[in-house]
Amino acid sequence: ETGVTQTPRHLVMGMTNKKSLKCEQHLGHNAMYWYKQSAKKPLELMFVYSLEERVENNSVPSRFSPECPNSSHLFLHLHTLQPEDSALYLCASSQVGGAKNIQYFGAGTRLSVL
Amino acid sequence: QQQVKQSPQSLIVQKGGIPIINCAYENTAFDYFPWYQQFPGKGPALLIAIRPDVSEKKEGRFTISFNKSAKQFSLHIMDSQPGDSATYFCAARWKDNYGQNFVFGPGTRLSVLP
Repeated sequence: ETGVTQTPRHLVMGMTNKKSLKCEQHLGHNAMYWYKQSAKKPLELMFVYSLEERVENNSVPSRFSPECPNSSHLFLHLHTLQPEDSALYLCASSQVGGAKNIQYFGAGTRLSVL
Repeated sequence: QQQVKQSPQSLIVQKGGIPIINCAYENTAFDYFPWYQQFPGKGPALLIAIRPDVSEKKEGRFTISFNKSAKQFSLHIMDSQPGDSATYFCAARWKDNYGQNFVFGPGTRLSVLP
């Protein structure tokens, strides 16, 4: 729909599992983002890969680990999560330096940690 | 201060009404202010955006009013329709050495009654 595809759409995992979220953008953008969306809280920027540099929100726990192998793919590796990590995880991409500075979002992965 | 305040938290209007959502910020380094619309089960989609050197921008039934001196901006939806029922987020962008970063307001849940 928007050129940003996230898989899986839904994920249920136990606290001891290891899983990965995948994001792929088909827009030729050079920046990708991971956001966390929890109920009744603002969208929280977790990680940015921009101009091949990684920037992270210092409040993100180390149990979340991003990987950006190229400009079109972004992963979020999850391990030993807590129930409070249950949320919608959104990936976005944009063109840094582009004229319109538009961020395009994927549909998100709904994560439930049991 | 890297945050954006948004109000109201929720809003109910009748069809044809003009809902207004307000946002305020402190950081004068913000240089771009997008609004996103999010339907249930979908990621946020860019709706309209404005730069601080413009006082008003209109796209279809959506209008942003921007008051730079007050550090406030608002979204107006003219002739609102039930299909406009969604959560609306204001956001602000700032740039640093790594590229661009976005911060979001907590969202306003709009319901347009038929």
